[in-house]
Amino acid sequence: NAGVTQTPKFQVLKTGQSMTLQCAQDMNHEYMSWYRQDPGMGLRLIHYSVGAGITDQGEVPNGYNVSRSTTEDFPLRLLSAAPSQTSVYFCASMSLGGLNYGYTFGSGTRLTVV
Amino acid sequence: AQSVTQLGSHVSVSEGALVLLRCNYSSSVPPYLFWYVQYPNQGLQLLLKYTSAATLVKGINGFEAEFKKSETSFHLTKPSAHMSDAAEYFCAVWVETGNQFYFGTGTSLTVIP
Repeated sequence: NAGVTQTPKFQVLKTGQSMTLQCAQDMNHEYMSWYRQDPGMGLRLIHYSVGAGITDQGEVPNGYNVSRSTTEDFPLRLLSAAPSQTSVYFCASMSLGGLNYGYTFGSGTRLTVV
Repeated sequence: AQSVTQLGSHVSVSEGALVLLRCNYSSSVPPYLFWYVQYPNQGLQLLLKYTSAATLVKGINGFEAEFKKSETSFHLTKPSAHMSDAAEYFCAVWVETGNQFYFGTGTSLTVIP
């Protein structure tokens, strides 16, 4: 059981480049989300999805796009990378409903924009 | 709006001493409450969760937390700290009506030998 898989683990981008961070889960979770983690700021929600075909913005969505064409995958696209997007990105998934609440996190992608 | 406040961004304890990490939340509806732990260069993993059953919740590695509605608190405790407990700890709230987790800013726990 792989859980939540994020790729790549590390990435260096030049300002203005675009890229996609991949996230896949094999637990049939309805809910998936992307966070960025910066020192002293905890985790901030970028985008989330409650099911295939449904996405919504979180606290810091600017500069990022998402789509959810399947239950398993939830890629995060950086449209035009900026140094302010240097961060560690985490994908998380969760089953919706009662006692099942609780995230499973991926191991993270460390992104540096130069 | 929901919010989570973790008092103390850094906590140091001696090995064998009590660990107490504080978390207060604001929520207009009954919340689900969580503690997550993050070891260096790793993702977050669930330590324990409160889902409206018993107010005293036991988690992994000897940690427990008590939900106190009157104080809107969910403090994390462990009777005796171990060196391996050194990590970042995050308190989080999930409210069904909002479809979002709200995380605190984290508390870094240092264990002194």
